[in-house]
Amino acid sequence: ELQLLYSGRGLEQPGGSLRLSCAASGFTFSNYAMGWVRQTPGKGLEWLSSITGRAENTYDAQSVRGRITVSRDNSKNMLYLQLNNLGAEDTAIYYCVKETSPGGPGAFDSWGQGTLITVSS
Amino acid sequence: ILMTQSPSSLSAYVGDRVSITCRASQTISTNLNWYQQTPGKAPKLLIYSVSSLQSGVPSRFSGSGSGTDFTLTISSLQPEDFATYYCQESHGYNTFGQGTRLEI
Repeated sequence: ELQLLYSGRGLEQPGGSLRLSCAASGFTFSNYAMGWVRQTPGKGLEWLSSITGRAENTYDAQSVRGRITVSRDNSKNMLYLQLNNLGAEDTAIYYCVKETSPGGPGAFDSWGQGTLITVSS
Repeated sequence: ILMTQSPSSLSAYVGDRVSITCRASQTISTNLNWYQQTPGKAPKLLIYSVSSLQSGVPSRFSGSGSGTDFTLTISSLQPEDFATYYCQESHGYNTFGQGTRLEI
């Protein structure tokens, strides 16, 4: 199971940073790559980034490269996202996902519940 | 890689057999997955690697294809199958199709 954690109120400022966490349970966390996907009415589902099981490598979508940092703490079964320099185009529902292999890419066989983030002043 | 689904929407009856197609802009071998999403919920993996059924998914769902052209087939629609379906390539860019809305 994946539980997305977000302490904000769902509204982020333009130019600010978004920080999300994802708590995993029910599987051996370090055995699987993990990732982040977002969804908007206009662009649909968009993969953002993935990190391999032992955090050897990260892979970022071109649309967010340079603004995104994904990390994980295998001792705590936690996945993290930081997205900087937010713009209106980052308004979306954000999901954490579990991949089907340790090294990625693969299918996303478990999804967090999603959280709506709106970027607006 | 661009993933194009057709049709964008589809109306059908309970018991119908329906198919949704997904075309990739370049060959993606067998790195093609299908998801189902109902309103307000996260997507759910149905089929991975073109034709492998995810655990717990009913056998009325099946997938086929290779290279650039793929198909999701539902053999006999059930009321809970009316949802939006997405294909996704895991060949390198994890691109999703735009979705197919299946309506009663």
